[in-house]
Amino acid sequence: DGGITQSPKYLFRKEGQNVTLSCEQNLNHDAMYWYRQDPGQGLRLIYYSQIVNDFQKGDIAEGYSVSREKKESFPLTVTSAQKNPTAFYLCASSAQTGDTDAFFGQGTRLTVV
Amino acid sequence: GQNIDQPTEMTATEGAIVQINCTYQTSGFNGLFWYQQHAGEAPTFLSYNVLDGLEEKGRFSSFLSRSKGYSYLLLKELQMKDSASYLCAVARLGGGYNKLIFGAGTRLAVHP
Repeated sequence: DGGITQSPKYLFRKEGQNVTLSCEQNLNHDAMYWYRQDPGQGLRLIYYSQIVNDFQKGDIAEGYSVSREKKESFPLTVTSAQKNPTAFYLCASSAQTGDTDAFFGQGTRLTVV
Repeated sequence: GQNIDQPTEMTATEGAIVQINCTYQTSGFNGLFWYQQHAGEAPTFLSYNVLDGLEEKGRFSSFLSRSKGYSYLLLKELQMKDSASYLCAVARLGGGYNKLIFGAGTRLAVHP
C-alpha cells in the first residue's frame, strides 16, 4: 500500500537537544512539506521541497533544518535554536504539479521537557 | 504575502446544513483545498477547486470565486462524526515552487 509514514508518533526530548523527525513516502511524489501545528491552531509551513537536493524555507523555518537526499525521504531536525519546539509536526507529500491534494502522515507529537 | 481567514468556531445541529467560509489574498493562486481534521489526527482531503463554481461530492460541496478570493465548504445532513476542524488551504505558485498554505481552521461542533 502506498502512503506516507512519520515516526515516531510521540517523542520526548530534553531542552537543548537536537531531534530528527522521520518522514518517508512511497507515493512517488516530488513535493514534500513539513508543518507545525500548535493546540487550537492551523498548520504553519516550516520547509518544503519540490525535488531531490532542493528545499525552501516556509513561514517559520528558524530553528529547523531539513534534507532531501532521496525522493522518498524528507527528515526534519528540530535544533536547540528553536525556542518553543513542543508541538504536533505533520509531514505531507503531493504531486509536483500542485493540482492534486497533499497526503499527510499521522504526525509526530514532540514534547520538550 | 498571503492571508487566509476562516471563522474560528461554529456550531450546528445534527441533520442540518452548515456553510464554512474562507477568504484569501494571495498571488500565484493555484487552487484551493478543504481538509477535515479530527483532534490529534492528520488532515484528510475533502475537496479541491481551481476554477470558479461549485464542486459537489456526496454530503460535501465546495464553492470558489477567484475574483472575490472566496470559498465555502457546505456540509449537508450533518452527522455527529462531522465534528472536527475544517482547514482551508491555498496552493500558491511562485518562483517555480508550489506552496500549500493553510488557514487556522474552523472548529465545528455538531449537537444532537
